[in-house]
Amino acid sequence: DGGITQSPKYLFRKEGQNVTLSCEQNLNHDAMYWYRQDPGQGLRLIYYSQIVNDFQKGDIAEGYSVSREKKESFPLTVTSAQKNPTAFYLCASSTRDRADQPQHFGDGTRLSIL
Amino acid sequence: RKEVEQDPGPFNVPEGATVAFNCTYSNSASQSFFWYRQDCRKEPKLLMSVYSSGNEDGRFTAQLNRASQYISLLIRDSKLSDSATYLCVVPSPGYSTLTFGKGTMLLVSP
Repeated sequence: DGGITQSPKYLFRKEGQNVTLSCEQNLNHDAMYWYRQDPGQGLRLIYYSQIVNDFQKGDIAEGYSVSREKKESFPLTVTSAQKNPTAFYLCASSTRDRADQPQHFGDGTRLSIL
Repeated sequence: RKEVEQDPGPFNVPEGATVAFNCTYSNSASQSFFWYRQDCRKEPKLLMSVYSSGNEDGRFTAQLNRASQYISLLIRDSKLSDSATYLCVVPSPGYSTLTFGKGTMLLVSP
């Protein structure tokens, strides 16, 4: 089955710790995206990548980092610089980097602070 | 005007009712639009794409009014399972990403 897999489903971070959220897709999509969703809020774009070895900052990139070494994978690291990391993190992909293509989502990772 | 704006609701309707949501957008150059459905604590799922004046899929109809820059989603014969938050999505200025509205919550009751 083709799709987007995010792991883990739940993650807890200690003070001063960096944590990495995994996102893998087997849809052969070129573009991948990371969003953050807070309760009662819309999705906010953290980072996106249009091709391998290239990525751009979204609206709220501070305190986060990404890499795109393989087409299938777009991991997100939440660094200790992100002071309010508790949120629902969603990874998405689309066939191209154009906005006339819908995005398809993984089932998300819930991150909380211990 | 915000990039995309939706009435947050909630819209409370009985089963079988017809309900419509509106969404306004600011990017007049936008050519494609999407409606997503998001269940509580789940990921958004694509409900409908809108590339011209509108689209219809069963009980769901999306209409686009370019002159007034709004998109509507009409749900006929509401089912209990339609209870969810509906997200309006439009291309961001520059066209490389999408902007998601905050969503309109629908609650269908027996």
